[in-house]
Amino acid sequence: KNEVEQSPQNLTAQEGEFITINCSYSVGISALHWLQQHPGGGIVSLFMLSSGKKKHGRLIATINIQEKHSSLHITASHPRDSAVYICAVRREGASGSRLTFGEGTQLTVNP
Amino acid sequence: DAMVIQNPRYQVTQFGKPVTLSCSQTLNHNVMYWYQQKSSQAPKLLFHYYDKDFNNEADTPDNFQSRRPNTSFCFLDIRSPGLGDAAMYLCATSSGLPISYNEQFFGPGTRLTVL
Repeated sequence: KNEVEQSPQNLTAQEGEFITINCSYSVGISALHWLQQHPGGGIVSLFMLSSGKKKHGRLIATINIQEKHSSLHITASHPRDSAVYICAVRREGASGSRLTFGEGTQLTVNP
Repeated sequence: DAMVIQNPRYQVTQFGKPVTLSCSQTLNHNVMYWYQQKSSQAPKLLFHYYDKDFNNEADTPDNFQSRRPNTSFCFLDIRSPGLGDAAMYLCATSSGLPISYNEQFFGPGTRLTVL
């Protein structure tokens, strides 16, 4: 079983719909990241969370440390939101922090 | 302004021909990471540097080496690329400071094709 599990793996929505992507993890973490990867490969960090909730524009991320669960919400989705969304958990070690990644959720938003 | 720069963005090499991928950063971060990401898979950490301290992952093949001549630059050397090494290679950096600052910043990636 992967240490970081995302669901769903693939998600297709119509423009304007509210979208939720879920992430569950099984290890102790210092923070959780939500990342966005567009075709072409570059990764952009959307959020870094260690507790509670963060909001940036139409994106909202929440984390429940006790339940080891996080969600990424997109309100009023748009075709330009189409991308792979990756959940990654961060653990600290003597040689610095390291990320463990989920498999990603491929989101397609149709006009 | 680009903070983590990878060159080239696309690299084509021949089976067995050594190739070097480059990463540079303007953030003055202590830690630099190299990840390999194959199609439809999560990124996989190959190794990372904490300053000059090299940390290799246990399952990283010997074919992959890295150099960090100074804070700003880090190189990934693939000594004898095989067809299975075709992938996106991502460089990332983090400050290495206390936890709250340890966000990783990613470069745009280099897509390697092996013919």
